[in-house]
Amino acid sequence: RKEVEQDPGPFNVPEGATVAFNCTYSNSASQSFFWYRQDCRKEPKLLMSVYSSGNEDGRFTAQLNRASQYISLLIRDSKLSDSATYLCVVEAGTYKYIFGTGTRLKVLA
Amino acid sequence: EAGVTQSPTHLIKTRGQQATLRCSPISGHTSVYWYQQALGLGLQFLLWYDEGEERNRGNFPPRFSGRQFPNYSSELNVNALELEDSALYLCASSPGGQGRQPQHFGDGTRLSIL
Repeated sequence: RKEVEQDPGPFNVPEGATVAFNCTYSNSASQSFFWYRQDCRKEPKLLMSVYSSGNEDGRFTAQLNRASQYISLLIRDSKLSDSATYLCVVEAGTYKYIFGTGTRLKVLA
Repeated sequence: EAGVTQSPTHLIKTRGQQATLRCSPISGHTSVYWYQQALGLGLQFLLWYDEGEERNRGNFPPRFSGRQFPNYSSELNVNALELEDSALYLCASSPGGQGRQPQHFGDGTRLSIL
């Protein structure tokens, strides 16, 4: 099993739709989790940290399920500008971050 | 607040040459990370420096090396360049510690090997 796994997509959704991505991780001791957004040929940008109780930032909601070892990102009311690759990042021990390979989202007009 | 800055933006080299890439972290950040991203692929972890020490290294050959200076800026050196080294090299920084803080990325250096 890979340390961090994401469905590569692409997820093609119409504008206004709600879409959710999951990211599974293998290290049950992982403590910190993040979602990043990466536009084509650009650097990843931090979207949000993922807290144990779940957290929301506008149209974006992140959740952590420790029992099943996955984090999720929910995007409501999708905009064309949300089209990007979404990367999950899992802290997997001392001085060890693991990046997922990303999920591509395409929001269609 | 200035973000992570990388230089040069683009670098063109030929096979067998050596390349040096530079990174200045966000002020106050002591950890610097280097990643390689080949076209269409995910981020591959290269190196992690914190407080001047190499803390972790990815699965890359020894010709990839680096260092962190007392002001926390960092260099990535790639010796004996090969065609497959062509990629976007990303530097990121975070406040010090052992990995509980999010990383913030620079714009990257595009390295092209001819």
